[in-house]
Amino acid sequence: DAGITQSPRHKVTETGTPVTLRCHQTENHRYMYWYRQDPGHGLRLIHYSYGVKDTDKGEVSDGYSVSRSKTEDFLLTLESATSSQTSVYFCAISASGTGLNTEAFFGQGTRLTVV
Amino acid sequence: AQKVTQAQTEISVVEKEDVTLDCVYETRDTTYYLFWYKQPPSGELVFLIRRNSFDEQNEISGRYSWNFQKSTSSFNFTITASQVVDSAVYFCALRAQGSARQLTFGSGTQLTVLP
Repeated sequence: DAGITQSPRHKVTETGTPVTLRCHQTENHRYMYWYRQDPGHGLRLIHYSYGVKDTDKGEVSDGYSVSRSKTEDFLLTLESATSSQTSVYFCAISASGTGLNTEAFFGQGTRLTVV
Repeated sequence: AQKVTQAQTEISVVEKEDVTLDCVYETRDTTYYLFWYKQPPSGELVFLIRRNSFDEQNEISGRYSWNFQKSTSSFNFTITASQVVDSAVYFCALRAQGSARQLTFGSGTQLTVLP
């Protein structure tokens, strides 16, 4: 299994509070991603990173920010959590190159509930 | 823009039946990659297969087979002699070449295999 760890795995937070989710990898992969999974929508890309301090927005980036100060860590921050951000969040990693090992591998997910 | 459509929201079959999960995609890119992921009830996302747009050869892996047809922009997944352990949500996804390898997912198909 790819070495990806998400923390926390579960979190309940109140509306308006900031929340940070952490993704840690031990594979030294270049690309890292944050997706959210909601019923009827599959997984949608929030933000991604293509290197240390190199990040870009995805399809549903409003209300989220990210940081990547080290290859192994990719942080997702909800600046001021809202109920619409209640979701399951997945981190993924992907290597460079064109070989078969360039699939995205996913962490176990973080279930976030905003009350 | 890219889009992946999985029109079957839920499918229920009895064990040992064959079942096909449909995936239709849209992209303007001439080179792209298609994927299938499995999400069992435990919640993790498991990579099943990657297909390149320039390789239309069908693939079989045990009870699983994939039918890629560029002419109809489809990448369908068939499970032969289904088993209860095949019960999961299955996602089809698309990635364009040259992108930062981010995936566009379909909304998923919930497969339930009844004993």
